[in-house]
Amino acid sequence: DQQVKQNSPSLSVQEGRISILNCDYTNSMFDYFLWYKKYPAEGPTFLISISSIKDKNEDGRFTVFLNKSAKHLSLHIVPSQPGDSAVYFCAASTSGTYKYIFGTGTRLKVLA
Amino acid sequence: EADIYQTPRYLVIGTGKKITLECSQTMGHDKMYWYQQDPGMELHLIHYSYGVNSTEKGDLSSESTVSRIRTEHFPLTLESARPSHTSQYLCASSTGGPRQFFGPGTRLTVL
Repeated sequence: DQQVKQNSPSLSVQEGRISILNCDYTNSMFDYFLWYKKYPAEGPTFLISISSIKDKNEDGRFTVFLNKSAKHLSLHIVPSQPGDSAVYFCAASTSGTYKYIFGTGTRLKVLA
Repeated sequence: EADIYQTPRYLVIGTGKKITLECSQTMGHDKMYWYQQDPGMELHLIHYSYGVNSTEKGDLSSESTVSRIRTEHFPLTLESARPSHTSQYLCASSTGGPRQFFGPGTRLTVL
């Protein structure tokens, strides 16, 4: 029973264009969502997060959108760069639990 | 950035051996975690600790054990390794806020 789902295992985007990575969740108790980026042979690194009291959070080229009614969040990368090529994990948490549920990841490839 | 270390980075070992995967962090974080990840799969939480002398099993059942005698150290032990234990093991820590800091991982292969 996967509570956090990333249905696209891979995505290819041309350099300079927008990358949109999607994530769906089923547990309505989740109130904090994070995106991590992972390069091969490295641990995940934190990218951006959003609280359930917001519907958008922006940090430079990265924007996360949250649609609570649809239990859906997305990560937008604009403009995409070859260095963005990595696996992106969506994660969700419920306040006070200090535990995180991860999705299966989406492998992004940005083509030069 | 984060100072969290894992050793060894890669380990190939025979069935039945006892192994310990090391994880240390120098940030003074009280919360530490072990995840197991297979290629193309999600990170599964196998153990976590909220502080010294506190350890809990995660959502994925694991035959490994952990200990937390010091704040900075959270080793994971497999008493008798089996091929089914072949995976990547990721250690993480946090202050209790939503963001976790991950180590580089240990890729374990059991023959």
